[in-house]
Amino acid sequence: EVQLVESGGGLVQPGGSLRLSCAASGFTFSSYEMNWVRQAPGKGLEWVSYISSSGSTIYYADSVKGRFTISRDNAKNSLYLQMNSLRAEDTAVYYCARSADYDILTGYDYWGQGTLVTVSS
Amino acid sequence: SSELTQDPAVSVALGQTVRITCQGDSLRSYYASWYQQKPGQAPVLVIYGKNNRPSGIPDRFSGSSSGNTASLTITGAQAEDEADYYCNSRDSSGNHRVVFGGGTKLTVL
Repeated sequence: EVQLVESGGGLVQPGGSLRLSCAASGFTFSSYEMNWVRQAPGKGLEWVSYISSSGSTIYYADSVKGRFTISRDNAKNSLYLQMNSLRAEDTAVYYCARSADYDILTGYDYWGQGTLVTVSS
Repeated sequence: SSELTQDPAVSVALGQTVRITCQGDSLRSYYASWYQQKPGQAPVLVIYGKNNRPSGIPDRFSGSSSGNTASLTITGAQAEDEADYYCNSRDSSGNHRVVFGGGTKLTVL
């Protein structure tokens, strides 16, 4: 059974940093592209970042480029999101999502349960 | 950049057919994917590509596309279909970005 479990969310002050993790199991993690998608409270979904299976190709949304860094450790079956210079508008539930074969950039066939990041003083 | 536009809310009587639409320039070049999200839960992929359903998705869900509009149709809506529905696709600007629609809240009456 495919499982994605996010962790690392919490309350952080504006300008602070946080590192999210996503532990994957039930599939060959190193063979799949991965993504972070977020959802502000009461709002819609927003794509954050994509990373290829090897980690060699990375894309970011304009809203986080230069502040967030996606990475992965295939030996540990884990995906990460390092978030720096956090702003109030980064407050959201952050989901990790596995890319589907049919479209590795926009298709997400498995999602984690999400971890809440709150940026507030 | 590209945007995808969805009606904020749609309602349907139990057992009837409803169409949820998604409009955007990128849909002239790329298929939309559709996600269902129930309160407090993660999204679930329900339709992708031209008209494909992942394993486990009921066949009352179908997809179509014409011009700049993608549609998700639920034929014979059930109470459990009440949820938020989101479309997404690639950004047509070629910058390797992903865009989501604002979501449609479906109410089953």
